[in-house]
Amino acid sequence: GQQLNQSPQSMFIQEGEDVSMNCTSSSIFNTWLWYKQDPGEGPVLLIALYKAGELTSNGRLTAQFGITRKDSFLNISASIPSDVGIYFCAGPGNQFYFGTGTSLTVIP
Amino acid sequence: EAGVAQSPRYKIIEKRQSVAFWCNPISGHATLYWYQQILGQGPKLLIQFQNNGVVDDSQLPKDRFSAERLKGVDSTLKIQPAKLEDSAVYLCASTEFSGSFYEQYFGPGTRLTVT
Repeated sequence: GQQLNQSPQSMFIQEGEDVSMNCTSSSIFNTWLWYKQDPGEGPVLLIALYKAGELTSNGRLTAQFGITRKDSFLNISASIPSDVGIYFCAGPGNQFYFGTGTSLTVIP
Repeated sequence: EAGVAQSPRYKIIEKRQSVAFWCNPISGHATLYWYQQILGQGPKLLIQFQNNGVVDDSQLPKDRFSAERLKGVDSTLKIQPAKLEDSAVYLCASTEFSGSFYEQYFGPGTRLTVT
């Protein structure tokens, strides 16, 4: 199956700092999705990207659909404690593929 | 609007025992998914239903896992017999069509520990 690799695997940052993470794929996707998973909960959709080069924002979150359609980036500005969780990229193909996840810890 | 419901939330069993998980999707959502999420990994699709028919079960270990969605609403996932490597969170999701993709709504999951 298709593999989505995320980096970094984990991040420890101070409250107020900006965060950047990325996701790369071995195959092309026509849609990129970013999810956040809080402890003990299922993933929740944050942002959806529909075409190469697209830059989309949702509050303090900004995501970009890579021009090659094989990667995507997620940025979080001015992090706050509730940003803690695991962030997954995902791509709908012949089935739904999730990335390996980036675990974010925000230190107050 | 009520979300996706799953039960139980936690289950501890011994290897070789059987276990079943239940999922009630969002009302009106025709597509239902079961995922397995091993600690430290992303969710992995096990099976996808469209109404009460199976769309994709290519990654379901059919020698021990089974799933059904008899009336096109609730679904159950069963493991018989369980192995240690089945310890994971089992997530159920249901979808509606949103723009160009199916936006999935996830339940809270069932955390299974096999000892």
